[in-house]
Order: sequence, then C-alpha cells, then structure tokens
Amino acid sequence: GAGVSQTPSNKVTEKGKYVELRCDPISGHTALYWYRQSLGQGPEFLIYFQGTGAADDSGLPNDRFFAVRPEGSVSTLKIQRTERGDSAVYLCASSLTPSAGRETQYFGPGTRLLVL
Amino acid sequence: GNSVTQMEGPVTLSEEAFLTINCTYTATGYPSLFWYVQYPGEGLQLLLKATKADDKGSNKGFEATYRKETTSFHLEKGSVQVSDSAVYFCVVYGNNRLAFGKGNQVVVIP
Repeated sequence: GAGVSQTPSNKVTEKGKYVELRCDPISGHTALYWYRQSLGQGPEFLIYFQGTGAADDSGLPNDRFFAVRPEGSVSTLKIQRTERGDSAVYLCASSLTPSAGRETQYFGPGTRLLVL
Repeated sequence: GNSVTQMEGPVTLSEEAFLTINCTYTATGYPSLFWYVQYPGEGLQLLLKATKADDKGSNKGFEATYRKETTSFHLEKGSVQVSDSAVYFCVVYGNNRLAFGKGNQVVVIP
C-alpha cells in the first residue's frame, strides 16, 4: 500500500514569508508526528496528533509554527514569518496507534525547506 | 526527557568486515528502542526494534540487544555489504515522541 507522502518535496522561500507543508499519512493510522532534521543531525520532534487533536505540541520551537489535522488524516505544518534558521528537512511520520512506542512510526520522504 | 548518545564520527570499513555502532540511552522506565536507517536518496526506515529488556531485535543480518543494566542498544552485523552504506540512527521512544541520536554514516568499500 501507499506510504506516507509529503508535499512539496522541496520549498525555497524568502525570509519573512509564510509556508505550508503537507503530510498525507498511511490510511487508517491515527497517530501522526512531525519532526525536523537539520544537516548532520538526527530528527527532532515537533508535534504529535492523535486523531484530529494535537496531543503534544511541546516540540514546536516558537509561536511561528503551527500544525493542524482537521479531519484526522492529512496534516499541514504552517510556518509564519520564516527565518533562515528554519531551513531544514521537515519529516512526517504516522503509526497505527501510539501504543507507548511499540508501534512502528513510518516516515515520509520529507520536505526540504530553504529560507533565503 | 529521553535521549540517545551514539559513538562519534563516520564509520568506514571493507566489505565483509564486522560492524559495531555503539549506542547508549537515558530514559525513565522501560522505553522501546529502535535503529532506523537512511539509505542514500531515501527516507528513514525502521531497521529493527526491541520493546523490553533483554529483547534482541534483528533484521537483514543486523542485531541489537536491549541491555537495561548498561542502558545500551549497540548495533552489530557480522559481514557488511556495499549495500549497507547508509546513515544509522539509534532511537528511544518516550513522552509521545522518538528521540534520535545524531546518526553514524557507514561507508562500506568493495
């Protein structure tokens, strides 16, 4: 079956602009996660959704970052007033249920964001 | 929060050599542990996992044993192939998230 998909694959924007990154999880997966990976580092957690609600948004770096999942499937990560330091690969993952981490998280290919 | 420490630096070795990548973790309780791999040009994918102490995860010839007493989850493979060249991440689950190590780039030379 289809895996996690993310669009766009690459996004170049100018400092101060607004961007939206989309994630389409595996069908039937109730848990959805966003991570951010900077060059040479491991991914870092941003936010976790269980169904439609953001169950944990403690990883969002500041209030310029926001994410939604209005129908419990597709999610959009929104970044306002982008800064050069936001440049990174944004990864989305989904799992069947959270299940205390025993369920595998399946990752999408990521969106590479470059802020000029 | 939970965290992972991986050995520093890339790993370069010859085909059929033995591979070890060290990983230690800091966590409360008994978290699930994972190794994820990122092949060139591809996304992150699960390599193996262990969900309780003394469990051994294995896949594609790779193994890692969940050692609670030493808080370690070292990755090993007895005979690597060129196709094993990739970045390997040690990962611990806790507090609704995966916490990744910095990753180790493994380069296998023919």
